[in-house]
Amino acid sequence: DTAVSQTPKYLVTQMGNDKSIKCEQNLGHDTMYWYKQDSKKFLKIMFSYNNKELIINETVPNRFSPKSPDKAHLNLHINSLELGDSAVYFCASSQSGSIIREQYFGPGTRLTVT
Amino acid sequence: DAKTTQPNSMESNEEEPVHLPCNHSTISGTDYIHWYRQLPSQGPEYVIHGLTSNVNNRMASLAIAEDRKSSTLILHRATLRDAAVYYCILRDRGATNKLIFGTGTLLAVQP
Repeated sequence: DTAVSQTPKYLVTQMGNDKSIKCEQNLGHDTMYWYKQDSKKFLKIMFSYNNKELIINETVPNRFSPKSPDKAHLNLHINSLELGDSAVYFCASSQSGSIIREQYFGPGTRLTVT
Repeated sequence: DAKTTQPNSMESNEEEPVHLPCNHSTISGTDYIHWYRQLPSQGPEYVIHGLTSNVNNRMASLAIAEDRKSSTLILHRATLRDAAVYYCILRDRGATNKLIFGTGTLLAVQP
């Protein structure tokens, strides 16, 4: 069983379009994240949701809007796509608490904007 | 979050032990040392973490210096499947749960 799944795996689209990436976790975790890995392989946190509430927003452009319909899902909608949005986007999840717990990552969605 | 310094790349032979170093001279008393790795074309995966004492799990061992300013991830017998980028990350128990990735160490394993 896949713990953290993302769809689609690949996404090719043109500049100016709007697209969404979906993420689901079946681990029963209450916290989910979106990370972006750019062409230089640098991984950076974008957003984090805890119990459907936004707790981290790392100065990401307003064109990016995460949505968490429930604790098991965190979707990423991107408006007016730009060339610089091309990257691999990883969803992750973890369980909050007083002890730092490991994060489980999805397989990634490779977004190519042409 | 305190920063870590790792070599850009390392090479190992299959079946031999690998010692991946990490320097974190500005580590604070509440920082945990975490290691993640990213296999080619996959998402990062948790490897191990520790605070002060050395730690062992099924994947690796973590040796932490007495002054905590450095640590070493030990893979006891490298396999081809261990070829990956290994990230050493400091996480403050009191901070938000985000992971701040550096550039990591690219480990190549030769057959």
